[in-house]
Amino acid sequence: EPEVTQTPSHQVTQMGQEVILRCVPISNHLYFYWYRQILGQKVEFLVSFYNNEISEKSEIFDDQFSVERPDGSNFTLKIRSTKLEDSAMYFCASSESWTGGNNQPQHFGDGTRLSIL
Amino acid sequence: RKEVEQDPGPFNVPEGATVAFNCTYSNSASQSFFWYRQDCRKEPKLLMSVYSSGNEDGRFTAQLNRASQYISLLIRDSKLSDSATYLCVVLDTGRRALTFGSGTRLQVQP
Repeated sequence: EPEVTQTPSHQVTQMGQEVILRCVPISNHLYFYWYRQILGQKVEFLVSFYNNEISEKSEIFDDQFSVERPDGSNFTLKIRSTKLEDSAMYFCASSESWTGGNNQPQHFGDGTRLSIL
Repeated sequence: RKEVEQDPGPFNVPEGATVAFNCTYSNSASQSFFWYRQDCRKEPKLLMSVYSSGNEDGRFTAQLNRASQYISLLIRDSKLSDSATYLCVVLDTGRRALTFGSGTRLQVQP
């Protein structure tokens, strides 16, 4: 079964450094998403991406965050100047079409654990 | 009021038991509903979509009550492998972002 893949599985970074999290969505999917989950808390939406632009972003997704689809397969999340509170599990997801149509589900990668020291 | 509310549990049940989880959502315009399961420190995995007429997949049955803004998940004949956190997930009209509940933890005991 096709799956969303994320790298690295664990990233340890000093506070203030830039970090790039990478994702390869399922190949025929058109919509891409980033979510995060702080340890012990619920999964929170960060951003959705379609047709090479951001469709929607949450209040968490401030100026230090950016997303990019640099080629036909990768989808990246960059955090420019990391803070201690950015420590979390970051999940990439993709869906074939807009989730709101026909209950199209979003499929999640197994996440990148980001630890900020 | 929380957007998607679930009883955090834990629900401790013996193997073979039937267990039900409930979830309420605050936005009456919500249009798509899902149950995901999440194992400890793993990614959410889709369990099933929830349709207005209710739907069943093997031992799992999901129900939606739009009038009461209430979703349920019933697990019959619980297995040890069902032990996980069950996430109620809602998509609101006009958005592409899923809203997750905090999850209900299930522990099936031998």
